[in-house]
Amino acid sequence: EVQLVESGGGLVKPGGSLRLSCAASGFTFSSYSMNWVRQAPGKGLEWVSSISSSSSYIYYADSVKGRFTISRDNAKNSLYLQMNSLRAEDTAVYYCARVDSSSSLGLDYWGQGTLVTVSS
Amino acid sequence: QSALTQPASVSGSPGQSITISCTGTSSDVGSYNLVSWYQQHPGKAPKLMIYEGSKRPSGVSNRFSGSKSGNTASLTISGLQAEDEADYYCCSYAGSSPYVFGTGTKVTVL
Repeated sequence: EVQLVESGGGLVKPGGSLRLSCAASGFTFSSYSMNWVRQAPGKGLEWVSSISSSSSYIYYADSVKGRFTISRDNAKNSLYLQMNSLRAEDTAVYYCARVDSSSSLGLDYWGQGTLVTVSS
Repeated sequence: QSALTQPASVSGSPGQSITISCTGTSSDVGSYNLVSWYQQHPGKAPKLMIYEGSKRPSGVSNRFSGSKSGNTASLTISGLQAEDEADYYCCSYAGSSPYVFGTGTKVTVL
């Protein structure tokens, strides 16, 4: 069974840093591209960042470029999101999501999410 | 990259059909056959319902169907059921950005 479990969320002050993790199991993690998607309280989904299976291709939304860094460790079946210079508007539930193995770009499995709150 | 435009809410009675629109531009929806749709119940993670505009993942009811015309994609739910009440989001590849989501639509079953 495919499972994605996020961790690392919490309360952080503006300007602070946080590192999110996503532990993957039930599939060959090293064969799949992965994403981070966030959802502010009561708001819609927002794509944050993508990383290809071998980390060769990495993309960021303009809203986080230069502040967030996506990475992965295929040996540990884990995905990460290093978040620096956090702002109030970064407050959201952060989901990790797997990209369908075909060329469809569909996000076929999602974790349960981890809440990040940026507040003084 | 601006969010794709969806109606804030759509409603229907059990058994009826409803359609949710998703309007983008020639830079995203109009240029690629890579629109996906997600269902999200309150407090839950999104679930993939449609990919590549009209394909259903294994396990998704055939009451859900997708289509596209020009810069607008659509999700139709036929034979509306109480369990379909949820938020729905479209998503498209946008070239410079792998993913751009829609604004979201709340479906209410009357």
